[in-house]
Amino acid sequence: AQKVTQAQTEISVVEKEDVTLDCVYETRDTTYYLFWYKQPPSGELVFLIRRNSFDEQNEISGRYSWNFQKSTSSFNFTITASQVVDSAVYFCALSEGAYNNNDMRFGAGTRLTVKP
Amino acid sequence: EAQVTQNPRYLITVTGKKLTVTCSQNMNHEYMSWYRQDPGLGLRQIYYSMNVEVTDKGDVPEGYKVSRKEKRNFPLILESPSPNQTSLYFCASSLTGGDGNTIYFGEGSWLTVV
Repeated sequence: AQKVTQAQTEISVVEKEDVTLDCVYETRDTTYYLFWYKQPPSGELVFLIRRNSFDEQNEISGRYSWNFQKSTSSFNFTITASQVVDSAVYFCALSEGAYNNNDMRFGAGTRLTVKP
Repeated sequence: EAQVTQNPRYLITVTGKKLTVTCSQNMNHEYMSWYRQDPGLGLRQIYYSMNVEVTDKGDVPEGYKVSRKEKRNFPLILESPSPNQTSLYFCASSLTGGDGNTIYFGEGSWLTVV
């Protein structure tokens, strides 16, 4: 069964610090997809990134970057020069979805607090 | 604007009083699903629908019903709500039910059952 672990329940940093959110996943499929979502205090889920299992290239989007390593089954998320607006709960998710039911398995989430 | 719309956003109800949370998407997506979010558990899938008139149970379907009569709508029905169904509910949709298509979520519905 697929599983996602976000070991960090809460992280607190001071503005401008870099922070990495860890995500470790388990799956027996060779085809799978990994996602990160942001949940700000208002509650909605904001899509950040989707990666498939065949693309291990790291990705950078502004202050956000993602490090996908199949060897360690990890898909970590780094925020560079954090800002107060980055304060949110971040969810990592896994979908095996190759054939049916695009069911995402979510980690428990990491609450990031960025202090001014 | 492409979106998934849920209503109501906030609701307090009493045990046993039937309620429906509506969900509508304007992206012509085939796949829709419902999740509930509880502290420390992340999001768990309640029901999903691969297309019109095709629905199936997710991980936590007990106490819920759904229907998919039209492509754009996927209401969640609580026939006899109980306090353990107090939660934050999300409706979601994606282009199809396979290939790991990105799932887009509604804004969430905060439900309290007293």
